[in-house]
Amino acid sequence: EAGVAQSPRYKIIEKRQSVAFWCNPISGHATLYWYQQILGQGPKLLIQFQNNGVVDDSQLPKDRFSAERLKGVDSTLKIQPAKLEDSAVYLCASSLSQGSYEQYFGPGTRLTVT
Amino acid sequence: AQSVSQHNHHVILSEAASLELGCNYSYGGTVNLFWYVQYPGQHLQLLLKYFSGDPLVKGIKGFEAEFIKSKFSFNLRKPSVQWSDTAEYFCAVSRDGQNFVFGPGTRLSVLP
Repeated sequence: EAGVAQSPRYKIIEKRQSVAFWCNPISGHATLYWYQQILGQGPKLLIQFQNNGVVDDSQLPKDRFSAERLKGVDSTLKIQPAKLEDSAVYLCASSLSQGSYEQYFGPGTRLTVT
Repeated sequence: AQSVSQHNHHVILSEAASLELGCNYSYGGTVNLFWYVQYPGQHLQLLLKYFSGDPLVKGIKGFEAEFIKSKFSFNLRKPSVQWSDTAEYFCAVSRDGQNFVFGPGTRLSVLP
């Protein structure tokens, strides 16, 4: 079974630039999560999708972050404009459904904002 | 908002020593509890989870955790650690499959 795919793996941008991350969940998984993990901290949930609907985006900084999951499969997370404090690893995870709870994580995208 | 704390930032043990990693959460309602592990260079993966029932939960690789509701705790244990258990361990809490909150993590180093 193929795992959760993410790209790019690394990205370096200057502050005020925009960036987008892509995630392809495990086939058949209805629930998709985006997390931000700052160095030395645990993952922080940014947004959770159930199919193509948003379940929880309470911690997403909506003035600069946006995410979509068209057709209920792939997802993109965008930051515009980026700030220095956005430097982190962005993790995507998926689970079979909202009720199954076991999340499978991708390798993450390491973002450095200079 | 709920929060998760993990008692130790970095734990160093010798092989065959016993392990206990502390985890406390703040939410007073019904919660689901998890331990995730990240081995060096690998993805986060689930070690074990608690939804309901027996508060002593067994996971993969000989790990277990005990849910103590009165103490809002979900400590992870292993009777005898191996060098291959060197990793970062994260406790996490959710409510009804939403509002996932992870702790800051505990780095475990096992000396051969």
